Amino acid sequence: DSGVTQTPKHLITATGQRVTLRCSPRSGDLSVYWYQQSLDQGLQFLIQYYNGEERAKGNILERFSAQQFPDLHSELNLSSLELGDSALYFCASSRTGGRKNYGYTFGSGTRLTVV
Amino acid sequence: QQPVQSPQAVILREGEDAVINCSSSKALYSVHWYRQKHGEAPVFLMILLKGGEQKGHDKISASFNEKKQQSSLYLTASQLSYSGTYFCGTEIRAGGTSYGKLTFGQGTILTVHP
Repeated sequence: DSGVTQTPKHLITATGQRVTLRCSPRSGDLSVYWYQQSLDQGLQFLIQYYNGEERAKGNILERFSAQQFPDLHSELNLSSLELGDSALYFCASSRTGGRKNYGYTFGSGTRLTVV
Repeated sequence: QQPVQSPQAVILREGEDAVINCSSSKALYSVHWYRQKHGEAPVFLMILLKGGEQKGHDKISASFNEKKQQSSLYLTASQLSYSGTYFCGTEIRAGGTSYGKLTFGQGTILTVHP
């Protein structure tokens, strides 16, 4: 157990639907990052939150949104789903903030299949 | 901008050495290295923060050439457990503060055979 909890582990849904992926960061980590990994692809950055505030945005589609709550857990909302959204979605957390930098701890991911 | 990793794939026999390179076109603040086994989450190996810094982790070490915006991961006397996909993640820092956003390379697939 890495300390980062992602739920659900698997999700199968139809095109046009909306889903919510949940992430609880490791205790003490203030930064949460969301990445998308398609089959045989690298890790594509979606969005980052730090202590409840959005800090960086990647190539995240307008159909996707995220937030981080006061207890630091984060949710990634994917709507109007398309077949191409099928992928592994990772959440990672780190203690990074200010001038200190730490490695990421990744959750086990949510495998989304859109049919 | 995504860093470029080379080679794309490496096949080794146990005990052989390998080097994986990571190159960026932008000035870097830090470089991270991760290993991902099939169907699993990436696992943090090490972070390099200063130019020329070299860190080690058992028989896996890395260097960071700040001037060339390059990092190299060295795997010596490879073991079967080293098999997986290796990713470098680069951080570009604009201004004095960063919150650690990483851009990952496309990955290098390392296969170690007995």
